[in-house]
Amino acid sequence: DTGVSQNPRHKITKRGQNVTFRCDPISEHNRLYWYRQTLGQGPEFLTYFQNEAQLEKSRLLSDRFSAERPKGSFSTLEIQRTEQGDSAMYLCASSASSGYGYTFGSGTRLTVV
Amino acid sequence: GIQVEQSPPDLILQEGANSTLRCNFSDSVNNLQWFHQNPWGQLINLFYIPSGTKQNGRLSATTVATERYSLLYISSSQTTDSGVYFCAAAGGAQKLVFGQGTRLTINP
Repeated sequence: DTGVSQNPRHKITKRGQNVTFRCDPISEHNRLYWYRQTLGQGPEFLTYFQNEAQLEKSRLLSDRFSAERPKGSFSTLEIQRTEQGDSAMYLCASSASSGYGYTFGSGTRLTVV
Repeated sequence: GIQVEQSPPDLILQEGANSTLRCNFSDSVNNLQWFHQNPWGQLINLFYIPSGTKQNGRLSATTVATERYSLLYISSSQTTDSGVYFCAAAGGAQKLVFGQGTRLTINP
């Protein structure tokens, strides 16, 4: 078990470009969560999946954001037409269906210039 | 939705001191977890504690669900304990809601 893996670790992009992040959860975990964290704040919930089904999306997840989890394995988070306000750390976590013991990845730090 | 408040926002201590971090939540919960975010940004799960008391080495946590608060105790602090401690809670919904964190600085 290698934990939750996120790629890339860092991404610098120009405003208006599209970016995609990947998360590989712990294999036994059927729940996968995406959070966003800005400097000095706690992580904010974006969306979560149980297996391949996306069960909840935050109002923070505008039309420019989309997440998928094909076949209930890895997940991708895409941001279209990035804006400077999208600059943040994007965190992925996984857990068993009980929600017990979230395990977080190291995150992807996005900088929009 | 559920609201989570943590106090104090900042705490500066000398190595060897003990500390207590508090987490208040606005509604009944069925999931409460404490995390430590190290200086490199990695969130480490410390405790899953929707009620009762747990201990792990120098760390312990207590949640009094009926009074809607949880406490994290750190004894004999070490410089490696520095970082931000987050409390996160969930009620009927299944996603954790995080507090703003307590930034702990342990000076040698």
